[in-house]
Amino acid sequence: SAVISQKPSRDICQRGTSLTIQCQVDSQVTMMFWYRQQPGQSLTLIATANQGSEATYESGFVIDKFPISRPNLTFSTLTVSNMSPEDSSIYLCSVEGTANAGEQFFGPGTRLTVL
Amino acid sequence: GEDVEQSLFLSVREGDSSVINCTYTDSSSTYLYWYKQEPGAGLQLLTYIFSNMDMKQDQRLTVLLNKKDKHLSLRIADTQTGDSAIYFCAERFSGGYQKVTFGTGTKLQVIP
Repeated sequence: SAVISQKPSRDICQRGTSLTIQCQVDSQVTMMFWYRQQPGQSLTLIATANQGSEATYESGFVIDKFPISRPNLTFSTLTVSNMSPEDSSIYLCSVEGTANAGEQFFGPGTRLTVL
Repeated sequence: GEDVEQSLFLSVREGDSSVINCTYTDSSSTYLYWYKQEPGAGLQLLTYIFSNMDMKQDQRLTVLLNKKDKHLSLRIADTQTGDSAIYFCAERFSGGYQKVTFGTGTKLQVIP
């Protein structure tokens, strides 16, 4: 299985500020995915990040609000910009497994609270 | 369309079997997943099934897939208190970036 780490694990931020979340994978992967889980809700895909190209955003998510970097095959960042309390969520990084077709793994998540 | 539905809550007694159900709408799914999320924790991949299979068993877990009815179920045999968690059904689509879409989650409560 892929081992995924995220930093920070949690943060409390002020309205109007930005936070960058890092995701590190222990193996090279083609695609990395960023999800959001709002309190008491299911997971929603924010965007898909390929190395060397711009991220592909899902409906309702835009690059200005959630810029993503993907500098290499093991690392990605998601920035939550100009935060408001509605951005309080868990943000999770996800990758496909490399050993067995179909596997999809998730990082431990970053729990963000915006005051 | 991409829509995955689950019942919100299930309560079972310790030692009984639990069956968590899920329905999905997209017939082009390639893989279907079950994830477990304990309070304050991340998502744990429990098991998954390729769409051309109809059953998969892994220790106490049995996954049944009815493609005709677009129905997926997870059976947990001999349910333990440690199985108390939220269980998410999810499907991966065959096109584009093969994104994974999640169901609403079923909260399983195991009564000692």
